[in-house]
Amino acid sequence: AQSVTQPDIHITVSEGASLELRCNYSYGATPYLFWYVQSPGQGLQLLLKYFSGDTLVQGIKGFEAEFKRSQSSFNLRKPSVHWSDAAEYFCAVGHPSGTYKYIFGTGTRLKVLA
Amino acid sequence: DTGVSQDPRHKITKRGQNVTFRCDPISEHNRLYWYRQTLGQGPEFLTYFQNEAQLEKSRLLSDRFSAERPKGSFSTLEIQRTEQGDSAMYLCASSLGGGAEAFFGQGTRLTVV
Repeated sequence: AQSVTQPDIHITVSEGASLELRCNYSYGATPYLFWYVQSPGQGLQLLLKYFSGDTLVQGIKGFEAEFKRSQSSFNLRKPSVHWSDAAEYFCAVGHPSGTYKYIFGTGTRLKVLA
Repeated sequence: DTGVSQDPRHKITKRGQNVTFRCDPISEHNRLYWYRQTLGQGPEFLTYFQNEAQLEKSRLLSDRFSAERPKGSFSTLEIQRTEQGDSAMYLCASSLGGGAEAFFGQGTRLTVV
């Protein structure tokens, strides 16, 4: 079955510390991969995406993610977290022939300590 | 263009009433998607359109849910005879064809009392 697992429901980091959010997927083929961020009561904003090519992708707000085929993972990283990064982060996969339907993980809520 | 627009942002309705939500996609996007997000969960796919054709609707939660995109531009999602379990955030997204990322609207939060 197709699924996305975000094993960490909550993560707390201090401002300025590094961050890694985990994402593992189960899919029949290598899917398109996405990370979205959602602030409370808001819609989703795309942080970055992976379709093919270089497995380290850069996104907005200083985020990056690395696709590891052997581990079926697409972890999100940021070297230095800012207080404004506090939000919920969702990993998603889409079919490589056309992303008509995304499958989302349950999200990781990030708290940033001043 | 200011992105995907959804209206209303919030809706409170009594159980048994019908509600309709509107989504205006990014103007050049031919694909439009509806998702539902309940508290503590990721968005769940409901249905999608390519232009005015509804190509996938098997995920609509029951026959009380229906969606339209009559002219291939804006879309509406209707829920008839609402139930408390319908309380959720309803998200709309659009994309430029397949193989492109989807851009999401701010969502409509539905509360059924």
